[in-house]
Amino acid sequence: DAKTTQPNSMESNEEEPVHLPCNHSTISGTDYIHWYRQLPSQGPEYVIHGLTSNVNNRMASLAIAEDRKSSTLILHRATLRDAAVYYCILRDLGGGADGLTFGKGTHLIIQP
Amino acid sequence: GAVVSQHPSWVICKSGTSVKIECRSLDFQATTMFWYRQFPKQSLMLMATSNEGSKATYEQGVEKDKFLINHASLTLSTLTVTSAHPEDSSFYICSAMLAGGPRREQFFGPGTRLTVL
Repeated sequence: DAKTTQPNSMESNEEEPVHLPCNHSTISGTDYIHWYRQLPSQGPEYVIHGLTSNVNNRMASLAIAEDRKSSTLILHRATLRDAAVYYCILRDLGGGADGLTFGKGTHLIIQP
Repeated sequence: GAVVSQHPSWVICKSGTSVKIECRSLDFQATTMFWYRQFPKQSLMLMATSNEGSKATYEQGVEKDKFLINHASLTLSTLTVTSAHPEDSSFYICSAMLAGGPRREQFFGPGTRLTVL
C-alpha cells in the first residue's frame, strides 16, 4: 500500500466542522482512499472510502483532490464522541485480501 | 450488522502460560480474518492473515510458533499466545472481512488487552 501523511494531532471545538487532511502523493490509479478511526481503548471502525469523486455518508464526507494526491475527511459537526485517532489508508482493490497498513494517524481532540 | 466480537476483553496471566483469544463474526461469514497488535501510544501492526480452512500467513518478524492461529469456521478465528512473557503484553485486535464484499471493508473487534506478569 502507498504511503500517506497526516498531521499528528488536531484540535477543534464541539459542534464545529473539522477538516482532517491526508497527503498521498504516490497514490496509484487503483488505490482507494479509506478512512478508519479508533476511539480510546477500542478497535478501529470504518468511516468512509472513495476513489475519485467526493463521498458522503452518515458519519462524514470525503473530499478528494482532482489529482488524487490528497484528500480531506470532513466531520460536519464534531461532538465529544468524535475524539479519536483518524487513519487515512490507501487500499489497492485490484489484488487479493490483505491486512491494513496503519500509519500514525491524526489524534483529534475535541474541546467542549 | 457486521459485528465482530472478541473474548476475553482483557486477561492477566503469569509468565510462561498460554492465552487463547477468540474472534467471532456475529452476523456475517468471513473467509478472511486478520490479527493486529497495538502497543501503548503506537499504531496497529498487522500480525497475520487468517484464512478459513488453511494455514495463517504471518508478517515478517512474527513468530508463528508463538502466536498460533486457527480459523476453523467462517465465523471464528483464535489466536493463542504460547508461553507468554511480559513483552507480549499488548492490545490484540482482530478484524474480519466480509466474504464477497465488494469494498473489502474490514470490521474490527473491540480488542483484547493482554497483561503478562
